[in-house]
Amino acid sequence: AQKITQTQPGMFVQEKEAVTLDCTYDTSDPSYGLFWYKQPSSGEMIFLIYQGSYDQQNATEGRYSLNFQKARKSANLVISASQLGDSAMYFCAMREGESGAGSYQLTFGKGTKLSVIP
Amino acid sequence: NAGVMQNPRHLVRRRGQEARLRCSPMKGHSHVYWYRQLPEEGLKFMVYLQKENIIDESGMPKERFSAEFPKEGPSILRIQQVVRGDSAAYFCASSPYPGLADEQFFGPGTRLTVL
Repeated sequence: AQKITQTQPGMFVQEKEAVTLDCTYDTSDPSYGLFWYKQPSSGEMIFLIYQGSYDQQNATEGRYSLNFQKARKSANLVISASQLGDSAMYFCAMREGESGAGSYQLTFGKGTKLSVIP
Repeated sequence: NAGVMQNPRHLVRRRGQEARLRCSPMKGHSHVYWYRQLPEEGLKFMVYLQKENIIDESGMPKERFSAEFPKEGPSILRIQQVVRGDSAAYFCASSPYPGLADEQFFGPGTRLTVL
């Protein structure tokens, strides 16, 4: 079974509108962390936001917020006021705590390609 | 404060040759992770190293691939006798601690093309 599922291969959003990118995860670990990364066409991986499994509040970083629904095992990324520079691939990733044998490797989804339309 | 450095950025090899990919972690970071990204895919974990030790190589192919992180110098991912299926982007990430919440800082990646 896939540990991270991103069901939207591609998304379009009008400039200045908000957009939600979906991510569901699968783990039996009580302790885990969820990350979102942005990969522009230039290829580098840019960290956006982090949510811990024990965090009571949804994480926010500027225009990025994470809609964390633990019971549903979802961690959707919300980008408000989209900009042309937001056009990129977006990856959801998870790090498991207790079963990760201490390596804390990241497990990535297949990504969502976001295109912002002027 | 320089970020994670990887070189070369692009590498072309013919089938059967060796590929050496280098990663210099951020200053003060002693934990290095290597990931591979096939076209149209997410990143997949390969190996986790600390200085002079391989901690977790559960994602490494059993043959032809090896990694090291010596006491001095960069971490090296070595692929022997490359095949076309090795063509991918290889990313290195570093962190100061291997904690659950600790961000992994990624390098720009090395794009390997096998002809």
